[in-house]
Amino acid sequence: GESVGLHLPTLSVQEGDNSIINCAYSNSASDYFIWYKQESGKGPQFIIDIRSNMDKRQGQRVTVLLNKTVKHLSLQIAATQPGDSAVYFCAENIRAGGTSYGKLTFGQGTILTVHP
Amino acid sequence: NAGVMQNPRHLVRRRGQEARLRCSPMKGHSHVYWYRQLPEEGLKFMVYLQKENIIDESGMPKERFSAEFPKEGPSILRIQQVVRGDSAAYFCASSDRVNQPQHFGDGTRLSIL
Repeated sequence: GESVGLHLPTLSVQEGDNSIINCAYSNSASDYFIWYKQESGKGPQFIIDIRSNMDKRQGQRVTVLLNKTVKHLSLQIAATQPGDSAVYFCAENIRAGGTSYGKLTFGQGTILTVHP
Repeated sequence: NAGVMQNPRHLVRRRGQEARLRCSPMKGHSHVYWYRQLPEEGLKFMVYLQKENIIDESGMPKERFSAEFPKEGPSILRIQQVVRGDSAAYFCASSDRVNQPQHFGDGTRLSIL
């Protein structure tokens, strides 16, 4: 079935580098996307979201880019720090019949490791 | 501001017993969602509730699983006659409106002996 998926299961970077985590989605009806960070033993932590009427959104050290043409989502983390080490998930919310449902569909996750 | 609170954090049950997982949403949030996560996998949607109503239970097994979100008190995910395959982390999230960021609790890790 249609789902959200990630290209890279693991990503290792040096402290201070920029990180880019990618996500592909296949459902053209998706209209809302969220990036979450999950540390070991904890629940997903909201990082940033973007709606389908936008192609870029910036937060503190993070930027999300949405390319609806190729159904691709990316999370950019500037000046990556050891505390950024975690699993990162993208999630999509599907809009159907004019109604957005509460159900989020998650990708499998990318493990980001930041080396000091 | 207290976040989403889940308890217990860890729950051990023997096969055939019942498991009750509790979730108190963030203050002011009336939308609650339950997800299940197996090791090294993403979260899988189970059920979406809004005060006293089940809005979407398309991800919940038809048998043994039930959820409620009463007018007063926490949301409860109930698993009857647990089996080994029910072992997982169960996460609850809440939002103040649909299609807004869902904020997650730290989950309940359910282990079945």
